[in-house]
Amino acid sequence: QSVLTQPPSASGTPGQRVTISCSGSSSNIGTNYVYWYQQLPGTAPKLLIYRKDQRPSGVPDRFSGSKSGTSASLAISGLRSEDEADYYCAAWDNSLSSWVFGGGTKLTVL
Amino acid sequence: EVQLMESGGGLVQPGGSLRLSCAASGFTFSSHELNWVRQAPGKGLEWVSYISNSGSTIYYADSVKGRFTISRDNSKNTLYLQMNSLRAEDTAVYYCAREALSGSSEFDYWGQGTLVTVSS
Repeated sequence: QSVLTQPPSASGTPGQRVTISCSGSSSNIGTNYVYWYQQLPGTAPKLLIYRKDQRPSGVPDRFSGSKSGTSASLAISGLRSEDEADYYCAAWDNSLSSWVFGGGTKLTVL
Repeated sequence: EVQLMESGGGLVQPGGSLRLSCAASGFTFSSHELNWVRQAPGKGLEWVSYISNSGSTIYYADSVKGRFTISRDNSKNTLYLQMNSLRAEDTAVYYCAREALSGSSEFDYWGQGTLVTVSS
């Protein structure tokens, strides 16, 4: 059981906009930055979004993050086949003194 | 180019020990906080441990507290994870991950991972 809650799966067709939610609590998302990581099949995770809505260089602006209260969302617009991957949200938890991850969302591009 | 390369994984019996290493290059190792994150086969990411840049501050996940020890040697640009009393549920790919110096602590670089299998 993950501290951060994500839907196990999401899907969309090429060109569509898809959102993935991440629900936490006041001790993690509510007070700290939220991060999103993308893990392509068979590879290590890669930073996608940091500080809630910032993108590292090289990450397309089709990816965007947002946060409201104790929840966060990752939006992917103009969906492409290469976006098919697992997506994880993460945050520092002040009560646990630990990093916490969501259970991951497997995105399928139909 | 920033590189993190894990090693030391393998097959170990329940109750056994293993030491993982993460060799870093391409950046000032002693400036960065580091973490170990693991992923059991077919499962999600699980944070394991954190160490500050000087090694003075350390945190562990409850699932490994008392059994795993994180350390670093800034003179060798290497991060370690000593794993004792290993259990079947410790079977996973173990990644080392660097925290950025941006002030927001994102894991901006990850190694390729090393597989630890605990089985008799």
